[in-house]
Amino acid sequence: EAGVTQFPSHSVIEKGQTVTLRCDPISGHDNLYWYRRVMGKEIKFLLHFVKESKQDESGMPNNRFLAERTGGTYSTLKVQPAELEDSGVYFCASSQATVRTSGRNNEQFFGPGTRLTVL
Amino acid sequence: QKEVEQNSGPLSVPEGAIASLNCTYSDRGSQSFFWYRQYSGKSPELIMSIYSNGDKEDGRFTAQLNKASQYVSLLIRDSQPSDSATYLCAVTGPNTGNQFYFGTGTSLTVIP
Repeated sequence: EAGVTQFPSHSVIEKGQTVTLRCDPISGHDNLYWYRRVMGKEIKFLLHFVKESKQDESGMPNNRFLAERTGGTYSTLKVQPAELEDSGVYFCASSQATVRTSGRNNEQFFGPGTRLTVL
Repeated sequence: QKEVEQNSGPLSVPEGAIASLNCTYSDRGSQSFFWYRQYSGKSPELIMSIYSNGDKEDGRFTAQLNKASQYVSLLIRDSQPSDSATYLCAVTGPNTGNQFYFGTGTSLTVIP
């Protein structure tokens, strides 16, 4: 079974430019999450999709960030316009469920991340 | 106060010893607890999940949970150099959305 994949692995852009990150979750996982880790800090939650719907976007830093999950499969995270403080590693994760029940659990599996550098 | 606290380390243990990693969390409503291992430049890899008070063993790994003390730990027996990595503690929040709160991670080095 393929794991969570993310593209690109690295992106270097200038302040003011636009970048779009992509995440493909594990097949069959309805739940998709975006997280970010900035240098020296902990991994922090950005938002959560259930299929194509945004369940929780409380972690999105501001309206320069736009996440979509059309069709409930892969997701994109667009940053427009990028600022210096947006630099970090953006992780995507997926899970079968949000609570542990018989036959399904809420473990999240992470992708390799996209390292974004804004100059 | 941070949601999840871990000692950043670095923690060094000799090969074959027991490595003990600790994590405390602030929200008493947390229900699910996870340990991830992350090698430099790689994705966090899930190694243990625990949901009930007590111990859970999986091979050389044992997770321990004490909800009354808001404490979760990971023991690695017979530590190997390949265990050298950063270990991340993750805890779910009080709501049902399954948002994970992470600690900053503990760096472990196993010395051959």
